[in-house]
Amino acid sequence: KNEVEQSPQNLTAQEGEFITINCSYSVGISALHWLQQHPGGGIVSLFMLSSGKKKHGRLIATINIQEKHSSLHITASHPRDSAVYICAVHFGNEKLTFGTGTRLTIIP
Amino acid sequence: DAGVTQSPTHLIKTRGQQVTLRCSPKSGHDTVSWYQQALGQGPQFIFQYYEEEERQRGNFPDRFSGHQFPNYSSELNVNALLLGDSALYLCASSLAWAGYSPLHFGNGTRLTVT
Repeated sequence: KNEVEQSPQNLTAQEGEFITINCSYSVGISALHWLQQHPGGGIVSLFMLSSGKKKHGRLIATINIQEKHSSLHITASHPRDSAVYICAVHFGNEKLTFGTGTRLTIIP
Repeated sequence: DAGVTQSPTHLIKTRGQQVTLRCSPKSGHDTVSWYQQALGQGPQFIFQYYEEEERQRGNFPDRFSGHQFPNYSSELNVNALLLGDSALYLCASSLAWAGYSPLHFGNGTRLTVT
């Protein structure tokens, strides 16, 4: 069964801390997305990757194909980073399968 | 350059009624996908439209149907609404030829069924 699991479900940290959110999936994938969802509901695409590592500003995404695992890191976290972070994958040519999300709260 | 727009933003319906949600894709995009997101859950894929045809479908009953127009905009129709259909409905657009590309989502329509 094609499954996506995220951890932790909830994460609270102090401003400035280094944040790591994890995503594991059950079988080989074609591509993986990291998404950010704010309380209003709109979703913003942060990264799409199928191998290696990508960096954008304070955000870094990595993927290990052999271990079927991806991580999203946030350096120097800020209260405006508070949101739900969702991992979504393409298993082969199939539709996107989403994780349930990690709710991140950054306290000033 | 307009992004993905969805309407309405909020909707309240009664069990048994029918609802139509609308999505205009990002300029230049030709593919529209619809997702249902229940409270506290990740989105679930409903279906995808390309060239006015349903190309892929998730595990949703036939009460969920859709349409894509020549201008690439799309509608999601849900018949015989159930309480469990209450959710945030998200639309995302992409370019078919681009393969796996970054996703562009609308802000969603929040449907409440009473």
